[in-house]
Amino acid sequence: ETGVTQSPTHLIKTRGQQVTLRCSSQSGHNTVSWYQQALGQGPQFIFQYYREEENGRGNFPPRFSGLQFPNYSSELNVNALELDDSALYLCASSSLGAGANVLTFGAGSRLTVL
Amino acid sequence: SQQGEEDPQALSIQEGENATMNCSYKTSINNLQWYRQNSGRGLVHLILIRSNEREKHSGRLRVTLDTSKKSSSLLITASRAADTASYFCATERGSRLTFGEGTQLTVNP
Repeated sequence: ETGVTQSPTHLIKTRGQQVTLRCSSQSGHNTVSWYQQALGQGPQFIFQYYREEENGRGNFPPRFSGLQFPNYSSELNVNALELDDSALYLCASSSLGAGANVLTFGAGSRLTVL
Repeated sequence: SQQGEEDPQALSIQEGENATMNCSYKTSINNLQWYRQNSGRGLVHLILIRSNEREKHSGRLRVTLDTSKKSSSLLITASRAADTASYFCATERGSRLTFGEGTQLTVNP
């Protein structure tokens, strides 16, 4: 059984650029959630995908978008990067319909925006 | 604002001592979960307590839930240096987990 893998682990971008972060879900999971974690803070919910459709969204602007693919892998896209987008981006997979939503997290992608 | 708020923000203890962290939340929940995060890494699920449960144990972990006070506590007994990490509570409503700001626990050898 494989866990959740994220890529890249680190990346540096400049203001105004666009970034795509990738995530492979744990085998058997059908749901992926993305979180943003600023330094010293708790993870903030960005959105969740279930069966390739957005299934809930947090307080993030439309320039944050996502995709979930038939194999349950996922992408997070951020357009028009701002300095405040610098954070650890965490992907987590789970199995909706299996009771409580227990998340399995990846190690994260650390984004620095200069 | 965060649904869950942990208290204290930071806790430093000696190996062998017990560590207690508290979490308060604002709205009704289906369940409450605790996660651990080693420095800058992903979170790891520790334990889940449902809204109709009052106490739960898992190894050296003991979690309590008081829905009337909208609060939970996580007790780690006989702490070890390897327990040094940030601990987060997360409340579930619908399919969304909302995390608190976390408690940074340092266990000194």
